[in-house]
Parts: sequence; structure tokens; C-alpha cells
Amino acid sequence: AQSVSQHNHHVILSEAASLELGCNYSYGGTVNLFWYVQYPGQHLQLLLKYFSGDPLVKGIKGFEAEFIKSKFSFNLRKPSVQWSDTAEYFCAVNAQRSQGNLIFGKGTKLSVKP
Amino acid sequence: KAGVTQTPRYLIKTRGQQVTLSCSPISGHRSVSWYQQTPGQGLQFLFEYFSETQRNKGNFPGRFSGRQFSNSRSEMNVSTLELGDSALYLCASSLRWSREETQYFGPGTRLLVL
Repeated sequence: AQSVSQHNHHVILSEAASLELGCNYSYGGTVNLFWYVQYPGQHLQLLLKYFSGDPLVKGIKGFEAEFIKSKFSFNLRKPSVQWSDTAEYFCAVNAQRSQGNLIFGKGTKLSVKP
Repeated sequence: KAGVTQTPRYLIKTRGQQVTLSCSPISGHRSVSWYQQTPGQGLQFLFEYFSETQRNKGNFPGRFSGRQFSNSRSEMNVSTLELGDSALYLCASSLRWSREETQYFGPGTRLLVL
């Protein structure tokens, strides 16, 4: 069965620290990859997505992610986090056979200390 | 353009009752997906509708059902509620039924079963 793993359940950083959140998926075929963010009290919002082309994808608010096909990974990065980045981050995969069905990781809570 | 709207936002029911949740997609979007979010299981896919037809279904019991209307609005129904059905139910819409499409999420309906 397809699955998505997010390695860190809770990450605590100080402002200006660099961020990298891991995401690995199990599906071997063609995939679309997403990172969503859920700020406290708000709904899920799309941060960035990868469909094809350049494996380094830039999203909103200074976030970027790199698709490494050989490692089945799609890690999220940000060079310098801000307190306002405190949120829960979800990696999701949309595999070729699943049409619109997104498979989500369990999420990583990011707490940024001011 | 207005986002995905879900009603009601909060709901309290007792075991054995049934509940109907409503979702209005972004104007022009024709595909609607439903997800259940719980602290233990994370985000899990329930079902997806396009052109009033269920296109995909997750691993949930038959107590969970849904439908889509000709105006793309969707409803999901849970019959014979159980305590474990307490969750945030999220609706997402996309332009078409395709893995190339991005899903946009609503704020969710928080269901508490007592």
C-alpha cells in the first residue's frame, strides 16, 4: 500500500534557524508531491507542489522542496524560520493510479521560539 | 474568488445518530474530495466525487457515504455514529478529476460524538 512518512513529529527551532522537514513516500511509479501547511486555527493551505520538471520547487513564504526520485523523498526546507511559521506541515502524494486521492503523512508540528 | 465552504463548522451528536455535512467547492471546481483528520490517524481519504459520480473511495465502513449534486456541491453522511467518528472532516475541491490538479481545502467541520 502507498504510504508517506514524515520523520519528525515535533520540531522546535529558534527564529532565524534553518529548517528541513523530511518526507518519504513508498510508491514507485509516477507521483505528484505536495506540502500543505495548517496554521493554528486555520485550514490546510498549499505551500508548494511538484508535478514534473525542475526537482527543486519554490513555494510561498520562502519555502522550497527538493524531489529526489532515487530516494523517494520530497524534503521541505527554509533557510531562516520566523515565529509566524509555527504550524503543522503535511507532506502528501498523489500517485498515478489514485487520480485525485491524496495520501498524507502524519504531519510535523513546527514550533518557532521568538 | 470565494474558497471552499463547509457547513456546519461544529457539530455535537450522540452515538447512534446520523449526521450530514455539506461542502460547497470553489466556483468552477467540479471535483470534491472528503478527508477525515484525527490526532491518531492523521488525514485519511474518504471519497471523491466528480460529475455527480463517486470516482474513488478510501477504506472506511459503509456507514460513511456521500453524494454530489449537479452544481458540484457535495454532502457526506455518517450513519449510526460511533465515538471514534469524532474528527475534523475536511472537504477539498479541484478543477477537474485529475492527479494533475491541486486540491484546495475548506476549514472543516469538527464533529464530536458523545
